[in-house]
Amino acid sequence: SYELTQPPSVSVSPGQTASITCSGDKLGDKYACWYQQKPGQSPVLVIYQDSKRPSGIPERFSGSNSGNTATLTISGTQALDEADYYCQAWDSGTGVFGGGTKLTVL
Amino acid sequence: QVQLVQSGTEVKKPGASVKVSCKASGYTFTNYGISWVRQAPGQGLEWMAWISVYNGNTNYAQKLQGRVTMTTDTSTSIAYMELRSLRSDDTAVYYCARGNDGLPFDYWGQGSLVTVSS
Repeated sequence: SYELTQPPSVSVSPGQTASITCSGDKLGDKYACWYQQKPGQSPVLVIYQDSKRPSGIPERFSGSNSGNTATLTISGTQALDEADYYCQAWDSGTGVFGGGTKLTVL
Repeated sequence: QVQLVQSGTEVKKPGASVKVSCKASGYTFTNYGISWVRQAPGQGLEWMAWISVYNGNTNYAQKLQGRVTMTTDTSTSIAYMELRSLRSDDTAVYYCARGNDGLPFDYWGQGSLVTVSS
C-alpha cells in the first residue's frame, strides 16, 4: 500500500520559515494536500493541489511538490501556527495521510 | 456557509456496531462526495472510506473491508458510516469531510467520539 512519510517534529523560532516535508513514491505525480490540526479541533485544509490556498488561509502558507517530496512552507511563522500538520494524497482511489508533524514555535 | 454536523458520543461494547451520522448544509449535497477519517487517541489521521453522493459509489480502506458501510440519504442531506464488529482499537474520533477520490477534504465535521470498551 502507498505510504507518506513525515518527520515527527519540526521546531521554528517566531518570524522564521518552517518547512515540513512529506515523502512518497512518485508523489510529484499526484496532488498533495496539507491539513493543520490544533488540539481538540478538526483538521483544516491549508494547501490543496500542491500549492493552492483555500480562501481564508494566510499567504504565509505555501506548498510545492516534485519528485518524491511535497513541502509545506510557513513564512514568518507565528505562535498561532503551532499545530500538527498532515499531508495527504490519493492513490488509486484510496486516501492516504502522512503520519503527521508537530510544529513547535519557540 | 458549508457545515457538516455529526452525531454525538457513543460508547459501545466489543462486537457491537455503531452508526455515525453527518448532516450537510450550505451546499448542494449531491455535488460532492463524503469521506470518513478517524483518529485514535494521540494518533494521526486515518482515511476510512468515501462515497459519491451522486451515484452511491464507494471505496473502503482495505483494512476495514467487510466491517464498514457508508450510505447517504439525499432527502435529508445526511451521510452515515456504520462500523461493525467493534474492537477496542476502533476507539477514536470519527470525522466526516467533504471530498472524495482526487479532491481535497475542504470541510470537516466536528468529530464523533466512539469508545469501545467492555
